[in-house]
Amino acid sequence: AQSVTQLGSHVSVSEGALVLLRCNYSSSVPPYLFWYVQYPNQGLQLLLKYTTGATLVKGINGFEAEFKKSETSFHLTKPSAHMSDAAEYFCAVRLGVNYGGSQGNLIFGKGTKLSVKP
Amino acid sequence: DVKVTQSSRYLVKRTGEKVFLECVQDMDHENMFWYRQDPGLGLRLIYFSYDVKMKEKGDIPEGYSVSREKKERFSLILESASTNQTSMYLCASSPAGDIYNEQFFGPGTRLTVL
Repeated sequence: AQSVTQLGSHVSVSEGALVLLRCNYSSSVPPYLFWYVQYPNQGLQLLLKYTTGATLVKGINGFEAEFKKSETSFHLTKPSAHMSDAAEYFCAVRLGVNYGGSQGNLIFGKGTKLSVKP
Repeated sequence: DVKVTQSSRYLVKRTGEKVFLECVQDMDHENMFWYRQDPGLGLRLIYFSYDVKMKEKGDIPEGYSVSREKKERFSLILESASTNQTSMYLCASSPAGDIYNEQFFGPGTRLTVL
């Protein structure tokens, strides 16, 4: 069965510091991986996704993530944190093959809340 | 601009009431989803639908039902609301066929059951 683990429910960084949010997955088939961001009292917005090809994926707002198959990881990074990055971040995995009606389903991690200190 | 809308941002109901949460998408997506979000538990899938009048149970369907009479609209129904259904409810949609595509989310409905 597929699963997603996000290490650290809360991460705090100073403005200008590196942001690193960790995500590990388990999957018996090649995964498709996603990072979403949720600002307070809003829905989820896609930051970036890995499907096939280049393992370093760039997303919006200066975020990027690297798919490492050997480590089953898809960590999210940003070189320099901004106050506006304070939000909750969710990693998600999707099966890489269709299986009937569930082809659109995602499995989400429990989320990491990022705080940015001035 | 693609859009998923939910009928209410905030809702307060009493125990035992029947509650309807509505979700509409304007992207002609086949798949639609209802999640609930609770602190420390992430998003949990309640029900999903991959076609009109089709529905499938997710991970936590107990106490909920859904309706999809039109492609663009997916309703979540709490037949008899209970306090443990106080939560944030998120609707999402995605296209069928292209498995690379992400899900698009609505702004959420924060439901409080007293």
